[in-house]
This record gives sequence, structure tokens and C-alpha cells, in this order.
Amino acid sequence: GAVVSQHPSRVICKSGTSVKIECRSLDFQATTMFWYRQFPKQSLMLMATSNEGSKATYEQGVEKDKFLINHASLTLSTLTVTSAHPEDSSFYICSARLNPDRVRETQYFGPGTRLLVL
Amino acid sequence: AQSVTQPDIHITVSEGASLELRCNYSYGATPYLFWYVQSPGQGLQLLLKYFSGDTLVQGIKGFEAEFKRSQSSFNLRKPSVHWSDAAEYFCAVAFTGGGNKLTFGTGTQLKVEL
Repeated sequence: GAVVSQHPSRVICKSGTSVKIECRSLDFQATTMFWYRQFPKQSLMLMATSNEGSKATYEQGVEKDKFLINHASLTLSTLTVTSAHPEDSSFYICSARLNPDRVRETQYFGPGTRLLVL
Repeated sequence: AQSVTQPDIHITVSEGASLELRCNYSYGATPYLFWYVQSPGQGLQLLLKYFSGDTLVQGIKGFEAEFKRSQSSFNLRKPSVHWSDAAEYFCAVAFTGGGNKLTFGTGTQLKVEL
């Protein structure tokens, strides 16, 4: 099946710094990528949807200026947590889908990135 | 708004025993239903999905799920659990009118006793 990678797998940073997380579709071109956040013992919460070449669509309550998403190519999307604070510590997961308009189409998930802000 | 409920946070079963993980959803329209498994260090893997047709769906790794419209449920089952099935299981739903987005349940952590 299709493979999605994330880098880094875990990162520790100081409060106030910015952190960039990469999501790559390794063997297919992903028109659409999704970014989720997962708190311990909780569900995945969709943060934003990004389509290649266009601006990301953020879910209600997600600060777009804090969580910058770039989907510049069909195989790469990045999430930058700007001016990170301890409350941004979480597990961030991306997924990728070939076709943006077909909910039936399988989303392929990356292994996640553990962010710890000190 | 659509929601997904997985009533069991943790489940422990003995290896070789049968398994049923519960999932209920709430929404007026017919949903698209999914079960994913999450293992440490790995991305969520799709076990099976239901869109229409036969309400009993077969998936990978010997799992199956049954859609029951009257109960708004999509429970996951496996006749005989293996130790390697220990993981976190997520039920998810999507609707064509919901922006093609998945809504996940809170997950069920499965522990398998040898």
C-alpha cells in the first residue's frame, strides 16, 4: 500500500521557537493532505486540510497563523508550529489522499510526530 | 454535528478468544464507516470500510465489521485474537455532506493476554 512518512518522529524545543514537521507521500502523488492532532488517550482531531497549490482550510478553533501549512508539491506538506508553547505539545499526524473530492478514497497516515515544548 | 462514540476505552482479551469492539455514530445521513488500527511507531492502518451494500464487511488481518443502521453501530469483530493484535483501534465516520472529512472516535486500547 501507499506509504506516508513524517519527519521528525519526535522533537523537543524551547518555548517561543518554531518547529517544522514534514509529511511526505513516498510512492504516490497526494492531491490532498490532512493534519491531525492527537492528545493522550484522545481521538485524532482534524486541524486542517491542504490541497496542493492552494491555501489550507483550517478547522474551527485552529489558529492558522500559529499552525502554518504549506503543500507546495504533490508529495510534500509541511506544518510549522510558530512560537510554540507548552500547550502545543502533542502528537501530530498527517495523512494523504490522492483525490480531494472522494471521501470514499482511503487516507494513508504517517507515523506521527511527537512534539514536546519546554 | 457528526460524532463517533467508542464506549470501551480499554479491553483485555486472552489470545485465541473472540473480540468485539463497539462503535456508534450519530448523524442523520448514511455514513461512510471505517476502522483503523494504530500501533506504536506506525501510522494508522485501515482495517476495513463500509460505504454501501452488504452490511457485513470483511477486512484485513481477519477482522470484520457489521453495519446496523437501526442501532447506528459499526462494531468490529475478530473470531480469534492474536497477541499481535494488541494496539489502539479507532472507528471513524465521514459523510458526503461533511466536507469529505473523517471524524474519529476516542479509540479503544486492546490488550491481549497470552
